[in-house]
Amino acid sequence: NAGVTQTPKFQVLKTGQSMTLQCAQDMNHEYMSWYRQDPGMGLRLIHYSVGAGITDQGEVPNGYNVSRSTTEDFPLRLLSAAPSQTSVYFCASSRNGDSSYNEQFFGPGTRLTVL
Amino acid sequence: AQKVTQAQTEISVVEKEDVTLDCVYETRDTTYYLFWYKQPPSGELVFLIRRNSFDEQNEISGRYSWNFQKSTSSFNFTITASQVVDSAVYFCALGPNAGNMLTFGGGTRLMVKP
Repeated sequence: NAGVTQTPKFQVLKTGQSMTLQCAQDMNHEYMSWYRQDPGMGLRLIHYSVGAGITDQGEVPNGYNVSRSTTEDFPLRLLSAAPSQTSVYFCASSRNGDSSYNEQFFGPGTRLTVL
Repeated sequence: AQKVTQAQTEISVVEKEDVTLDCVYETRDTTYYLFWYKQPPSGELVFLIRRNSFDEQNEISGRYSWNFQKSTSSFNFTITASQVVDSAVYFCALGPNAGNMLTFGGGTRLMVKP
């Protein structure tokens, strides 16, 4: 069980470039989410998915796209990178439902710098 | 809208001291989940506890304990006899009933000095 994996671990982009942050989980979790972490602001939800083919916006979705074609993968696309998107990005997954065992498992994070 | 406030941005203690991290939340949901996560200097997020809004019993796990008070919308975290390895950023978070999309507080950086 690899849990939640994210690639790359580090990335530097120039303003205007596009790229995709990869996220995969092998726990057959229905829920997957993307967060960004900025200093002093905790984590903020960008997009989330409750199952394959279903996505929705979180608190800070502008400038990002997602898709969920399989249960395992939930890539995050930056369409035209801006310096304001410099952040650490975390992907998370969890089971559906209200069970007390629905812990959110987080990936190790991707540190993105936009110049 | 949901909101989580961790008023203490930074706390410094000497090893073996007890320390309490405060968390105050706002939500209109009648059912919700509260979480604490630890982020050590290595950067990963480590799950510590989840509490359902219907369960107001305090929780103790080793040196860690949590005090959930619905009347004051607080979910405070106490570390007893702190250790240097407890040095980290601690996040309180709030999740809705129907899903697991979390609203995080700004975090409290805890520094435990030897």
